[in-house]
Amino acid sequence: ETGVTQTPRHLVMGMTNKKSLKCEQHLGHNAMYWYKQSAKKPLELMFVYSLEERVENNSVPSRFSPECPNSSHLFLHLHTLQPEDSALYLCASSQDETSGRYEQFFGPGTRLTVL
Amino acid sequence: ILNVEQSPQSLHVQEGDSTNFTCSFPSSNFYALHWYRWETAKSPEALFVMTLNGDEKKKGRISATLNTKEGYSYLYIKGSQPEDSATYLCALGGSNYKLTFGKGTLLTVNP
Repeated sequence: ETGVTQTPRHLVMGMTNKKSLKCEQHLGHNAMYWYKQSAKKPLELMFVYSLEERVENNSVPSRFSPECPNSSHLFLHLHTLQPEDSALYLCASSQDETSGRYEQFFGPGTRLTVL
Repeated sequence: ILNVEQSPQSLHVQEGDSTNFTCSFPSSNFYALHWYRWETAKSPEALFVMTLNGDEKKKGRISATLNTKEGYSYLYIKGSQPEDSATYLCALGGSNYKLTFGKGTLLTVNP
């Protein structure tokens, strides 16, 4: 138990659907992250939020829309996805985002399949 | 684009063997080096964060060393146990918020 939870754990959606992934951290951290892991690729950073403000958007297509309503919650809204977006989506949090020196705490991920 | 390389890609060892694997990174972009352990169906878990050249860190049977001048870090596991089976991820921490991950080394420890 890392203190970071994600729901749902599995999601199957069609290309025309709209769905949302949810992440919650119980660690009092200031920074939250979305990562994507596709088969045979390294973890790729998608978005970084610090104190509820987005500080990094790593060239992610607009069909992925993040939302951070408070420092404990992070959402990833999905719409008109493509089959190649099928992947494991991981949420993480850390004490601070201003350097790479703080370990990140990860959730268990959402396994997304786009049909 | 930063390139973080891990080798080997996968490794099978017998219970009780000691083993090690490598993470290579561009030394000019160093800020911090992270090691994570990722068991199947679980969350990646931080092992070490290392920032200083020559750093050596230890947690139980697992230890890591860091050489920032030549751009590599080694992870060692002494007396491997089946519960050590996991993917070990290395990530380069930058000042620009980002962790750049390697593809990982998949370790399987056979009983």
